[in-house]
This record gives sequence, C-alpha cells and structure tokens, in this order.
Amino acid sequence: TQLLEQSPQFLSIQEGENLTVYCNSSSVFSSLQWYRQEPGEGPVLLVTVVTGGEVKKLKRLTFQFGDARKDSSLHITAAQPGDTGLYLCAGSYNDMRFGAGTRLTVKP
Amino acid sequence: KAGVTQTPRYLIKTRGQQVTLSCSPISGHRSVSWYQQTPGQGLQFLFEYFSETQRNKGNFPGRFSGRQFSNSRSEMNVSTLELGDSALYLCASSLWTSGVYEQYFGPGTRLTVT
Repeated sequence: TQLLEQSPQFLSIQEGENLTVYCNSSSVFSSLQWYRQEPGEGPVLLVTVVTGGEVKKLKRLTFQFGDARKDSSLHITAAQPGDTGLYLCAGSYNDMRFGAGTRLTVKP
Repeated sequence: KAGVTQTPRYLIKTRGQQVTLSCSPISGHRSVSWYQQTPGQGLQFLFEYFSETQRNKGNFPGRFSGRQFSNSRSEMNVSTLELGDSALYLCASSLWTSGVYEQYFGPGTRLTVT
C-alpha cells in the first residue's frame, strides 16, 4: 500500500489543454515535494510546499498544499509536449516516501 | 555547482553475482539516499547515509548494503543478484534548506540481471 496515492495514473492530452493531478494521503506531512522524471533520468525537483493551504506557481505550473497537509495538487495550464513525463509527489515521513506517479503525455 | 553523479550508468550482471554502484553527491551535501525504481513498485527507499553513518533503512533484504565515505561519496552493494533486482537505482543528495529537506537526484544506474 502506497502512503501517497497519486491520480490519475496515466493522462494523455492534447497540447494547449489544462490538467490537474492529485496526491493524497491519510498521513500529515511536514512538507511535500513534486518531481518530474523523464525516461532514463532521475527525478528533478520542481517545488517544495510546507504550509497548509500554500499555493506556489512555477510558470504554467501551480502547486497547492492542502489545508491539513495531507494532500496536494499540481495544475498545468496550456500543456506543452515538453511537459511530458512522470510526475511524482513525495512526503517526508520517517524517510522520504514517494507516490507511484502520474505519467503525463502531451501530444502536439 | 555540479549535480549528483552516478557510475556506471548501465550495468548487466548475471544471477548470483554481486554489484557495486557509486554516487558522488553535490558538493556540500552530507546526506545521501538510495532508491530502487521499478515499473511495478515505483520508487522504493533503500537507505540513507549522513556523515558516514546509516541514518535510515528501508524494507529491503540484507543483500542490499551501502556505505558512505568521509568525502560524502557513497556506494551501494547488492550481493547474490536475483532477476528481480533489475531496476533503476537512484542516488539523491540532500540538504536541509530553511527547515525543509530537499533531495536532488542523479541520473541513476540501470541494472539488468540476466
């Protein structure tokens, strides 16, 4: 059983569409991180959220941490093919725990 | 600042053999963590080292071991390889920044066991 549940598992959209992916847990995390991983490479840290209710923006990406610090979402506006990849959320528990990821494909 | 480097990038071994993977963290980072990534299980935590001491360990058999040197470089070793050990092994160097623990990953070592 994953400590962090991510949904959807797979998402295939057309360029220009908007999307939201979710990361949920029954546990409270002191901080939560989002990573993007491309095939054959290691995950790249996108953002860290710390405060309940916090919203962070990174160009077309908007990250939100739930008020209770148990869940988070990532919203991408006007998706581009370069956004294609595996999006992972991770929370600091006794060690760092990762969700299974959302595999996003953006078609031109 | 150079990123996390892992060597080798690709490795093919036979069942029963052993393997050693190497990781050099970002300069100034004293914590190194290792993960196994497979399509079925995702990213699974193996262990973390800080200042040459194992600080945390995941739920893996004793065939998986690691160590960290005084220059923070780390190695992990897998003995008596099994087919199921085929995976991408990722190393991450970590830093506490403003009360937040952030990890930076290397490109990984792709291990194939035949």
